[in-house]
Amino acid sequence: DVVMTQSPLSLPVTLGQPASISCRSSQSLVYSDGNTYLNWFQQRPGQSPRRLIYKVSNRDSGVPDRFSGSGSGTDFTLKISRVEAEDVGVYYCMQGTHWPLFTFGPGTKVDIK
Amino acid sequence: QVQLQESGPGLVKPSQTLSLTCTVSGGSISSGGYYWSWIRQHPGKGLEWIGYIYYSGSTYYNPSLKSRVTISVDTSKNQFSLKLSSVTAADTAVYYCARDQDLWGQGTLVTVSS
Repeated sequence: DVVMTQSPLSLPVTLGQPASISCRSSQSLVYSDGNTYLNWFQQRPGQSPRRLIYKVSNRDSGVPDRFSGSGSGTDFTLKISRVEAEDVGVYYCMQGTHWPLFTFGPGTKVDIK
Repeated sequence: QVQLQESGPGLVKPSQTLSLTCTVSGGSISSGGYYWSWIRQHPGKGLEWIGYIYYSGSTYYNPSLKSRVTISVDTSKNQFSLKLSSVTAADTAVYYCARDQDLWGQGTLVTVSS
């Protein structure tokens, strides 16, 4: 099974400052079709998860452009260029390459210093 | 727009079967190309994919739960369902239904307790 890890697991940030979350997979996430199915989700307190980024770097509709995703192979990063109060929550990476089992990372809790 | 809503008992006794339904509104569950999933989140913990069903009826289950899980679809009611048998306290979680990965229900807490 593909294991997803994230770091850090807790990330206190200052409003207006950048933040970065790392995600690593135990196997390459490049699929046979050439795509890399690595997604990022945000879960605000008390809410359902919401997908922010799909296929490494594509923002979902309505996602602010301060969120960006990058990476390849087994190493991926989610960046928030300037953290706002509404960004508080837990962020998960998830692989969809090695289906049929989709696996999530453990989550990174982002809060304000 | 399409919305998903989970429903079912909030309390299930140990050894019984947990049954949840996800009602899809604003669109047809039969429209092609989507897979319909169940995901759960133990209290204060991360996310675990339980399984999903394709619009064609094909199903895929998490191997760790496969022996106890059944996901089915009722196109006449525009719903899909989850059954998890022989539950224990370890199955206490918030259960979410989702369409692909981009549309999620609000989640429903199921507690397993006598």
